[in-house]
Amino acid sequence: DGGITQSPKYLFRKEGQNVTLSCEQNLNHDAMYWYRQDPGQGLRLIYYSQIVNDFQKGDIAEGYSVSREKKESFPLTVTSAQKNPTAFYLCASSSDLARTDTQYFGPGTRLTVL
Amino acid sequence: SQKIEQNSEALNIQEGKTATLTCNYTNYSPAYLQWYRQDPGRGPVFLLLIRENEKEKRKERLKVTFDTTLKQSLFHITASQPADSATYLCALAAWGTYKYIFGTGTRLKVLA
Repeated sequence: DGGITQSPKYLFRKEGQNVTLSCEQNLNHDAMYWYRQDPGQGLRLIYYSQIVNDFQKGDIAEGYSVSREKKESFPLTVTSAQKNPTAFYLCASSSDLARTDTQYFGPGTRLTVL
Repeated sequence: SQKIEQNSEALNIQEGKTATLTCNYTNYSPAYLQWYRQDPGRGPVFLLLIRENEKEKRKERLKVTFDTTLKQSLFHITASQPADSATYLCALAAWGTYKYIFGTGTRLKVLA
């Protein structure tokens, strides 16, 4: 089955801890994205990557970090510097960064800070 | 600042009727507009893409219009079914950027 997976589905974090959200795709897509979704707000872009070993900040990158060591994987680390990390995090991929390309989304990870 | 507005109130319609959802934008000149469906607790699923030089796009029971003068897109679902109940998001991208800006979504409920 081709697709994009995220784990875990639910994640609880204590204040001051860093946590890493996993995102894997087997669609052979070059581009990958991380979004954050909060109630009453649209999806907001955190980071995106066009190719391996390259990534760019999105609109709300502060307090987050990413890596792209493999084409299939684009993990997101939520650091303790992120002031309000409780949210629904969505990973997506597309064949490239073209504006006409469909983004395929994963099932999401709901992060709650205790 | 750039703003995308979708009706935050839920839209309830009777099965078999046509659902029409709106996406308005200000301070933005999108070249591309996409519509996605999102079910509770899940990731969005792509439905349709329309370019600024296209007035209308259709796919099965779905139709999207794009009016750059009114700065508005309309999303229609004809012969609606309870299975169409979901939140629908619009997303816009301008020339010269790879980033899509998403609206907050409109929740549609189709009543049997």
